[in-house]
Amino acid sequence: SYELTQTPSVSVSPGQTASISCSGDKLGDQYASWYQQKPGQSPVLVIYHDTKRPSGIPERFSGSNSGNTATLTISETQTMDEADYYCQSWDSTTGVFGGGTKLTVL
Amino acid sequence: EVQLVESGGGLVKPGGSLRLSCAASGFTFSSYSMNWVRQAPGKGLEWVSSISSVSGDKNYADSVKGRFTISRDNAKNSLYLQMNSLRAEDTALYYCARGEYQFDCWGQGTLVTVSS
Repeated sequence: SYELTQTPSVSVSPGQTASISCSGDKLGDQYASWYQQKPGQSPVLVIYHDTKRPSGIPERFSGSNSGNTATLTISETQTMDEADYYCQSWDSTTGVFGGGTKLTVL
Repeated sequence: EVQLVESGGGLVKPGGSLRLSCAASGFTFSSYSMNWVRQAPGKGLEWVSSISSVSGDKNYADSVKGRFTISRDNAKNSLYLQMNSLRAEDTALYYCARGEYQFDCWGQGTLVTVSS
């Protein structure tokens, strides 16, 4: 079965840039999406179609997807960005999530 | 306001059945594909099933294929998940989520616990 692999944890200082990667075989041939989930809350879509931001998502969130890797980049990271982040794509008609990355801002 | 509200979760014994519901409001439900996504306690997200808007095409994760059935009633703006032959590993918070390629709206989830 198709798998998406994420680094379990990433740490960043406030104001710095955080990069969270998601790898999968030929992931760049599919659309990738990213979700933010804070403790006790439902996931929130932050990036879709590789690079697009939904309404209400700050411009500091950006995405890319090429080859086997999709990347979520958070510029000028704020403490409120501390959360779990999940990538998601499709293997034909089957949805797939990455294992998640815990972003710590300290 | 776009809203999804899940219900129907609870405690069930292994081998038992449960039917989850998701009530949608604030958008044209019949125009959207819908999904169920679950999250085991302390674990990551797992896509469970999807159903298309018009044709009603249904797809399932291998882990639930043959045991779970997704359905929708566009007249009632509702999504359902019939879960049979439940196992301990099905214990999770079950979310309904809107979308075909990405999931742009999520409910608050309903907790399913499978335990004897």
